[in-house]
Amino acid sequence: AQSVTQLGSHVSVSEGALVLLRCNYSSSVPPYLFWYVQYPNQGLQLLLKYTSAATLVKGINGFEAEFKKSETSFHLTKPSAHMSDAAEYFCAVSLSGNQFYFGTGTSLTVIP
Amino acid sequence: EAEVAQSPRYKITEKSQAVAFWCDPISGHATLYWYRQILGQGPELLVQFQDESVVDDSQLPKDRFSAERLKGVDSTLKIQPAELGDSAMYLCASSPNRGSPLHFGNGTRLTVT
Repeated sequence: AQSVTQLGSHVSVSEGALVLLRCNYSSSVPPYLFWYVQYPNQGLQLLLKYTSAATLVKGINGFEAEFKKSETSFHLTKPSAHMSDAAEYFCAVSLSGNQFYFGTGTSLTVIP
Repeated sequence: EAEVAQSPRYKITEKSQAVAFWCDPISGHATLYWYRQILGQGPELLVQFQDESVVDDSQLPKDRFSAERLKGVDSTLKIQPAELGDSAMYLCASSPNRGSPLHFGNGTRLTVT
């Protein structure tokens, strides 16, 4: 069975600092990988997706993620945090492209 | 940009009552998903439709939950009777085809008292 592990349920960074949110997956073959962001009382919004075209994926709002097969990781980064980045972030994996499994989420706090 | 529509946004109901949620996916999206998200957790799949057919309802508590997508477009999720543990955000998502990301609605926040 597929699973997604997000290390760190809460991450705090200072405004302007590097954001690093960790995601590891368990799959014997490279799956489809996604990062979503969720603001309070809203649905999930796609940040970026990996579908085997390139290992470094650029998304919206300055976020990017790197697929590392050897580490089964898909960590999300942003060079400089902004106050508006404070939200819940979810990593998701799909092997079939039809069934999606979500991590437990990482709450990002940005300190002014 | 087209959006997934859900209603109501908020619902408060007493335990043992019936409650229903509605979802209208993005036009042309064949696959529709209902997820439940408990506070502080990630979304968990309840049911997945391909057009009007259920393709996965293995995690749907069928003694109290039901879902339908009669014409392969909009969908309704029902709970009867509601229990305190059903309090959660119910999210609807749709996807146009295999490998495409999910598009989520804003969800229905259910509180059972």
